[in-house]
Amino acid sequence: KNEVEQSPQNLTAQEGEFITINCSYSVGISALHWLQQHPGGGIVSLFMLSSGKKKHGRLIATINIQEKHSSLHITASHPRDSAVYICAVREAGGTSYGKLTFGQGTILTVHP
Amino acid sequence: KAGVTQTPRYLIKTRGQQVTLSCSPISGHRSVSWYQQTPGQGLQFLFEYFSETQRNKGNFPGRFSGRQFSNSRSEMNVSTLELGDSALYLCASTGTGLSYEQYFGPGTRLTVT
Repeated sequence: KNEVEQSPQNLTAQEGEFITINCSYSVGISALHWLQQHPGGGIVSLFMLSSGKKKHGRLIATINIQEKHSSLHITASHPRDSAVYICAVREAGGTSYGKLTFGQGTILTVHP
Repeated sequence: KAGVTQTPRYLIKTRGQQVTLSCSPISGHRSVSWYQQTPGQGLQFLFEYFSETQRNKGNFPGRFSGRQFSNSRSEMNVSTLELGDSALYLCASTGTGLSYEQYFGPGTRLTVT
């Protein structure tokens, strides 16, 4: 079993729909990242969370440390949101900020 | 501030050769991490450097190595290339203070033939 599991693996939506991508992890963490990768493109960090909830524009990320679970929500989805969304965790302890463990990614396609 | 830069962006090498990839972090960032992305394995952590010292290493063979210079620029080297080393190699620099955000470079696409 992978340490970081995302669901669903593939998601297709119509423009305007509310989207949720889930991430579950099995280790103690100090932070969780949500990343976005467009086809052929580099990776952009959307959020870094250690507790609670963060919002940026139409994107909302939440984390429940006790349940080892995080969700990424996209409100009023748009075709430009089509991308791969990747959850990554930084394990608790130590001084390494870059040692991340990644989920397998969720491929999101939003149709006009 | 300029973002994270990686050179070269694309590279084609032959099995058995070696390759060196370069990463320049955001000015002021002292931590640089390297990752490998393949269709089969997804993203995997290679190593992290902080102030010229390797702070952590992922589960990769010794053919994968790296270093960091006093100006925080980092290089990674892969010796005796194998077909399975074909991948997108990403580096990221980590912010300072309370942020510790990761800022990714555009990646180097390595193809081994």
